[in-house]
Parts: sequence; C-alpha cells; structure tokens
Amino acid sequence: DGGITQSPKYLFRKEGQNVTLSCEQNLNHDAMYWYRQDPGQGLRLIYYSQIVNDFQKGDIAEGYSVSREKKESFPLTVTSAQKNPTAFYLCASSIDLGGEQYFGPGTRLTVT
Amino acid sequence: KNEVEQSPQNLTAQEGEFITINCSYSVGISALHWLQQHPGGGIVSLFMLSSGKKKHGRLIATINIQEKHSSLHITASHPRDSAVYICAVVTRNQFYFGTGTSLTVIP
Repeated sequence: DGGITQSPKYLFRKEGQNVTLSCEQNLNHDAMYWYRQDPGQGLRLIYYSQIVNDFQKGDIAEGYSVSREKKESFPLTVTSAQKNPTAFYLCASSIDLGGEQYFGPGTRLTVT
Repeated sequence: KNEVEQSPQNLTAQEGEFITINCSYSVGISALHWLQQHPGGGIVSLFMLSSGKKKHGRLIATINIQEKHSSLHITASHPRDSAVYICAVVTRNQFYFGTGTSLTVIP
C-alpha cells in the first residue's frame, strides 16, 4: 500500500539533545513538507522540499534542519537551539508543490 | 493577523443534522484545501478546490473566489464525523492553515 509513514509515534528527549524525526513516503511524490502543530494553533510550516537535494525554509525554520538525499525520505532534526521543541510534528507529501497533500500519522515530541 | 479564519471554532450537533463550517481568507490563492483531523492526530485531505463546488459522499465543499470564502457542508451528520476540520489555502506554493473547527456529533 502506498502511503507516508513517520516514526516514532511518541518521542521523549532531554533538553539540550538533538533529535531526528523520520518521514518516508512511497507515493513517488516530489514535494515533501514538515509542519508543527501546537494546541489551539493551526499547522505551521517548518521546511519544505520541492525536489530531491533541494529544500526551503518555512515560517518557523529556526532551530530545525532537514535533508532530502532521497525522494522517499525527508528527515527533520530538532536541534538544541529550538527553544520550545515540545509539539506534534506532521510530515506530508504531494505530487508537486501546492498540490493535494497526504499526511503521515505524526510524531509527538516531548522535551523535558 | 491570520490569513485564514474559520468559524465556528467549536460545533456540537445532533446526529442527522446538516452542518456548515466556514472559511474566509485574505490572500489571493491558487487552491483551497479542506482537511480532517481525527483525535489521534492523523490528517486526511477531504477536498482541493479552486472554483465552484465538489461533492464526496455526504460532504460538499464550495468556494467563492470573489468573496474569498469557502464552506464545508456535512449532510446527515454521524458521530464518526466528529473531528477537527481544517481549512488551508495555497498561495505562491505556500500553505496557510486555519486553526480548525472542532465538530462533535452526538448520537
């Protein structure tokens, strides 16, 4: 079955540690996205990638980094520079930029 | 100021009722999306619209480009429709999201 997967579902880290969230898709989509969702707020774009080996900052990229070495994979690293990393992180993909998005199940990150 | 505003924020309905969720936006768009987020957090795309109206089962989405407004209608609502409904607009390949409408359908 085609789809988009994120792992793990829940992640706990100590403050000061970097952590990498996985996102994989087998939909053959060119575009991939990372969003953050906080309670009572809409989704906010962290980074997006239109094509392999290319990515662009979204609205809240500070404290995050990404890579897009393969079409299927778009991992997100939450660095120790991110001031409030505890949140729900969603990955999505679409055939092309701006198209209908398919979302992963999300990773809930808690940093203490 | 949020580029996308949804109303109402919260909505409770009896099973079988007709439901309308509204979305207004302030930017020029190439498309508008309606998304559904269930309590577990997963999000499903319901519609992508650039004009007119689309129907899928009991769900209908309309958009008025001149008025910068879209509505999502649910006919014969059912408890399994309980979820957060999110409106998102696309402009210059950027997505802007509303904060969502939380719908609870009571049996």
